[in-house]
Amino acid sequence: DAGITQSPRHKVTETGTPVTLRCHQTENHRYMYWYRQDPGHGLRLIHYSYGVKDTDKGEVSDGYSVSRSKTEDFLLTLESATSSQTSVYFCATLGPPGGSSGANVLTFGAGSRLTVL
Amino acid sequence: DAKTTQPPSMDCAEGRAANLPCNHSTISGNEYVYWYRQIHSQGPQYIIHGLKNNETNEMASLIITEDRKSSTLILPHATLRDTAVYYCIVAYSTLTFGKGTMLLVSP
Repeated sequence: DAGITQSPRHKVTETGTPVTLRCHQTENHRYMYWYRQDPGHGLRLIHYSYGVKDTDKGEVSDGYSVSRSKTEDFLLTLESATSSQTSVYFCATLGPPGGSSGANVLTFGAGSRLTVL
Repeated sequence: DAKTTQPPSMDCAEGRAANLPCNHSTISGNEYVYWYRQIHSQGPQYIIHGLKNNETNEMASLIITEDRKSSTLILPHATLRDTAVYYCIVAYSTLTFGKGTMLLVSP
């Protein structure tokens, strides 16, 4: 979507190797999120950030770490990739209030497909 | 665990209105109702959200019952491009996605 870029879009790696996925936003949004999506599980929150150097865990954070050194970049790292981390990873940002009800809305990137052999 | 219940799948004829129901009987007073959709392999796309009042935008209408325990997303004139998984979410801050409704729009 406009304003959110994920890289790489596709990656194949081997078990035990480190992997870093990058999410870059141009909207200056404070909140950023990493989700993974697997068949039968829907979207599950891995980690999120509520500001530079401020991060917290989601429901499936084991095996993942994140960093946010700049507002525009949110990095997801798999220190030692496993086959169970084969998934599609989505980054999202939380935008300003929209509509007549004042609530922020999530905007998602196009996704990064990771295969761990 | 999702706080909403949606039918797993629905069909709709092209050009007709698609009405997607969602039950959220445990919704809290400060939680919003959000609707997103996901077209195959793409990132989820925001459609609409509301708190108490019915809402309408260029994509859809959202009807929330007076007790806020259920809602309906209405796509007034469904097209083939509306075929997607539709997620109903109730949340104040962090959004939790359930399995959604797979809407199939047929010619």
